[in-house]
Amino acid sequence: KQEVTQIPAALSVPEGENLVLNCSFTDSAIYNLQWFRQDPGKGLTSLLLIQSSQREQTSGRLNASLDKSSGRSTLYIAASQPGDSATYLCAVMTTDSWGKLQFGAGTQVVVTP
Amino acid sequence: DAGVTQSPTHLIKTRGQQVTLRCSPKSGHDTVSWYQQALGQGPQFIFQYYEEEERQRGNFPDRFSGHQFPNYSSELNVNALLLGDSALYLCASSPGGGRTDEQFFGPGTRLTVL
Repeated sequence: KQEVTQIPAALSVPEGENLVLNCSFTDSAIYNLQWFRQDPGKGLTSLLLIQSSQREQTSGRLNASLDKSSGRSTLYIAASQPGDSATYLCAVMTTDSWGKLQFGAGTQVVVTP
Repeated sequence: DAGVTQSPTHLIKTRGQQVTLRCSPKSGHDTVSWYQQALGQGPQFIFQYYEEEERQRGNFPDRFSGHQFPNYSSELNVNALLLGDSALYLCASSPGGGRTDEQFFGPGTRLTVL
């Protein structure tokens, strides 16, 4: 059974510092991994999608890496801003359950001015 | 281009009642998935609809049922509401059968059961 874990559960950094968010999963037979952002009480905004054949994806200040063999993904956010304050969730789609995303509990990020 | 839309935004019900939540997928998407997100937790998969049929189901009781219409929109029905059903209900859509594609989420419906 796939388990997705995000550590730490919460993180506070000063503005300008780089953010490093971790996601680990127990079953390496994944099809893809997606990173989302969620503002309080709101829906999910897709940030990056990494296919299992890829090692990383980049979009602006965001970079996500994927190491299937070790069951890890890392989301890097460069030069953080107060507007980056949100909860970040990772989700995996396993090859035996296509279409179903399994989520971690998220990392709550606060960027202080 | 409208994204995924959900209605209503908020809903308050009492135990034992029934509720229907609605979702319209992003233009060009044919697959709709429903998730339940309890406070402080990640979303949990309820089920997925494609070609008007339930294709996959998570670990939710039969009180949770759904429907997909020919225009790809979808409804989530919950019967005999329990206090524990209070959560944010999220709808996600994806193209091409939804098996492997990026999923796009709506703003959610906040359900409170008293």
